Amino acid sequence: ETGVTQTPRHLVMGMTNKKSLKCEQHLGHNAMYWYKQSAKKPLELMFVYNFKEQTENNSVPSRFSPECPNSSHLFLHLHTLQPEDSALYLCASSSWTPNTGELFFGEGSRLTVL
Amino acid sequence: AQTVTQSQPEMSVQEAETVTLSCTYDTSESDYYLFWYKQPPSRQMILVIRQEAYKQQNATENRFSVNFQKAAKSFSLKISDSQLGDAAMYFCAYRSARTQFYFGTGTSLTVIP
Repeated sequence: ETGVTQTPRHLVMGMTNKKSLKCEQHLGHNAMYWYKQSAKKPLELMFVYNFKEQTENNSVPSRFSPECPNSSHLFLHLHTLQPEDSALYLCASSSWTPNTGELFFGEGSRLTVL
Repeated sequence: AQTVTQSQPEMSVQEAETVTLSCTYDTSESDYYLFWYKQPPSRQMILVIRQEAYKQQNATENRFSVNFQKAAKSFSLKISDSQLGDAAMYFCAYRSARTQFYFGTGTSLTVIP
């Protein structure tokens, strides 16, 4: 198993659909992240979970709903998205202690909202 | 707030030549970490090199090295003997013990055979 796995790799959904992105890490890390990557913009941090507890929510619209059932799994539930939400969504994990660990990324889920 | 600036959206280099990617950052902290990440087309982002701010010696990883100028808040990446597999987006990132990662907008590197 590779370090951080994301599924699906590609997703097309309508504005009224409900879908979920899944992330799984096999590195024994205790922190997991969702980032949004859009062209020509810095990576945008969306959510951070540390030991299953959400520690950061960067003013993300409520149409994005994260879930972290354990330290190895992270979900991003999507509903009533907008076309501007089309982007590459990256999951990452890291060691929280010490809080200087590098991020390990998954390959991303390419989301297209029609 | 911390900001990371990569002023070169695109760069190109001849195979086997050397290229330097620029990065500047803004922070009021004295203890932090800097990273260069590589994202090949349609592949996952991986760490290339990291530098702890308290270390004066520039980090080196094989053909990759950095020029860390703390006073100038500059952190450039030098790639020597460029290879076709080096073609990718390169992101500069900053992190401190008290903050999350801040990323630049990236530099797209093309390697010309």
